[in-house]
Amino acid sequence: DIQLTQSPYFLSASVGDRLTITCRASQGISSSLAWYQQKPGRAPKLLIYAASTLQSGVPSRFSGSGSGTEFTLTISSLQPEDFATYYCQRVDSYPLTFGGGTKVEIK
Amino acid sequence: EVQVVESGGGLVQPGGSLRLSCVASGFTVSTNYMTWVRQAPGKGLEWVSVIYSGGTTYFADSLKGRFTVSRDNSKNTLYLQMTSLRAEDTAVYYCARNRPHSDYADVWGQGTTVTVSS
Repeated sequence: DIQLTQSPYFLSASVGDRLTITCRASQGISSSLAWYQQKPGRAPKLLIYAASTLQSGVPSRFSGSGSGTEFTLTISSLQPEDFATYYCQRVDSYPLTFGGGTKVEIK
Repeated sequence: EVQVVESGGGLVQPGGSLRLSCVASGFTVSTNYMTWVRQAPGKGLEWVSVIYSGGTTYFADSLKGRFTVSRDNSKNTLYLQMTSLRAEDTAVYYCARNRPHSDYADVWGQGTTVTVSS
């Protein structure tokens, strides 16, 4: 199976910071990647799909880029409600897999 | 409002079985791709399965043969039947609707907790 490696595992940041999270695939997956946000005790929320398409209703400070094996999620100006754990997920072939997650905490 | 609500979780002994339900409102389960994802305590997300509108199913390799997915169209409900349960199946199980003809899950339930323990 194709593995996804997220980095960093943990991030301490301040409100207003620009944040970048990386997701690397062990093999090329074209643009078949999603990003999800999860807050404690809550279900995941789809942010980005097809590597760079913003899901309806998601603030424009979130953006995704990349294709093949390297992908990034960027938050242009971190807001208090953005402190959460972020996961990438590949959807190129079954079985699907998630990255290990990146926890973003307040500095 | 488009939503899904899971139920059926609980405490089950190792080797036992459990059926989770996912009731949808605001859309039709049978005409959408539907996904199950689970999350063990303190761990990350793990994809479990998908069912296509046509009925084709796919599962995580570790679950094949133990879990099945079905639908009851009259109840607009999705099911996850779990058998031969193990301690490592302990998790919150989420049901989700996918974006049309894709594996991107855009509507999620609140989850139901399954605990496998003697």
